[in-house]
Amino acid sequence: GAVVSQHPSWVICKSGTSVKIECRSLDFQATTMFWYRQFPKQSLMLMATSNEGSKATYEQGVEKDKFLINHASLTLSTLTVTSAHPEDSSFYICSARQAGLYSEQFFGPGTRLTVL
Amino acid sequence: AQRVTQPEKLLSVFKGAPVELKCNYSYSGSPELFWYVQYSRQRLQLLLRHISRESIKGFTADLNKGETSFHLKKPFAQEEDSAMYYCALRGSGNTGKLIFGQGTTLQVKP
Repeated sequence: GAVVSQHPSWVICKSGTSVKIECRSLDFQATTMFWYRQFPKQSLMLMATSNEGSKATYEQGVEKDKFLINHASLTLSTLTVTSAHPEDSSFYICSARQAGLYSEQFFGPGTRLTVL
Repeated sequence: AQRVTQPEKLLSVFKGAPVELKCNYSYSGSPELFWYVQYSRQRLQLLLRHISRESIKGFTADLNKGETSFHLKKPFAQEEDSAMYYCALRGSGNTGKLIFGQGTTLQVKP
């Protein structure tokens, strides 16, 4: 099956710094990528949807200036958490799907962000 | 508004017992429903989707539009079924985003 990778798998940073997380589709072209946030023992909360070459569409309540998403190619999307604070500590998961009405959505392994 | 509800946070059964993980949804159009599974320390993976009408690892789920439900069932639970299960909905006519339920932890005891 198709594989989605994320890098890094975990990151620890100081409050006020920015962190970039990469999401790659390894063997398919991802026309759409999604970024989710998952708190411990809770569900996945969709943060934003991005289509290659377009601006991301953010869900209500998600600060687009805080969580910058770039989907520059059909195999790469990045999420940058700007001026991170401890409350941004979470598990960030990306997923990707090809074009097509019934195409499957594949998930990355997630990135654990800890902001000190 | 799109919403997926999984009323049980934890479901604990003994090996060999039947399992039913409940999922109800709210959507005005014709949604696509999915069940995803997340085993310990692994990524989320698709278990089954309603349009496929197939049985995966002994699990089945039937979309009941009248009751707006998509319950996941297995007649005889196995220990290796222990995992977190998420019901998800994808609406028609949008970007294809998946909306997840709160998740149910299935614990199968020996």
